[in-house]
Amino acid sequence: QQQVKQSPQSLIVQKGGISIINCAYENTAFDYFPWYQQFPGKGPALLIAIRPDVSEKKEGRFTISFNKSAKQFSLHIMDSQPGDSATYFCAASLKGGTYKYIFGTGTRLKVLA
Amino acid sequence: NAGVTQTPKFRVLKTGQSMTLLCAQDMNHEYMYWYRQDPGMGLRLIHYSVGEGTTAKGEVPDGYNVSRLKKQNFLLGLESAAPSQTSVYFCASSSSGTSGTFTGELFFGEGSRLTVL
Repeated sequence: QQQVKQSPQSLIVQKGGISIINCAYENTAFDYFPWYQQFPGKGPALLIAIRPDVSEKKEGRFTISFNKSAKQFSLHIMDSQPGDSATYFCAASLKGGTYKYIFGTGTRLKVLA
Repeated sequence: NAGVTQTPKFRVLKTGQSMTLLCAQDMNHEYMYWYRQDPGMGLRLIHYSVGEGTTAKGEVPDGYNVSRLKKQNFLLGLESAAPSQTSVYFCASSSSGTSGTFTGELFFGEGSRLTVL
């Protein structure tokens, strides 16, 4: 019940295309859903995050879509660029906690020029 | 601002040896965490701390110990290294929210790559 399942494991997209990464969770007590971006040799960095009281959040080319009833959320990268090539992790954390995130297993995105 | 700094960045150990990874943050964050990253497994929480002098177990604490003697530092120790502990270790910190600046964001270091032969 503490798992966050992420798919696909890897993704190849043409420049200008849309990249979509999906995550699903079981624990309805989760109340914060961030996405982290990690470049090779670097630590993950927060990309965008959403709370379950909204269904969508957009920041530039990055959008999180959240479906509370299905317990799913996804990251959409519009107009994907080679510089977006990285590993993306979804995560979830519990209400009122110390933000002990449960991370997904990661998606390695490659955007072809 | 350096953010979160981890030392060393690389280390090779023999089975049974001990070592300590050091994490330092200069953001005055209350919370600190140690994660390990393995291929296909994502990031898994080893131990965390909610303040100076406190530590708690995460998902995969066995074989590791931690200490938080100072607010800015969080140490991860391996008493008797095993090949299964070959991994990339990440330290992270976050604010607690009591100061009104809480965002839930984790700030990660650049990682420490450990190989146990």
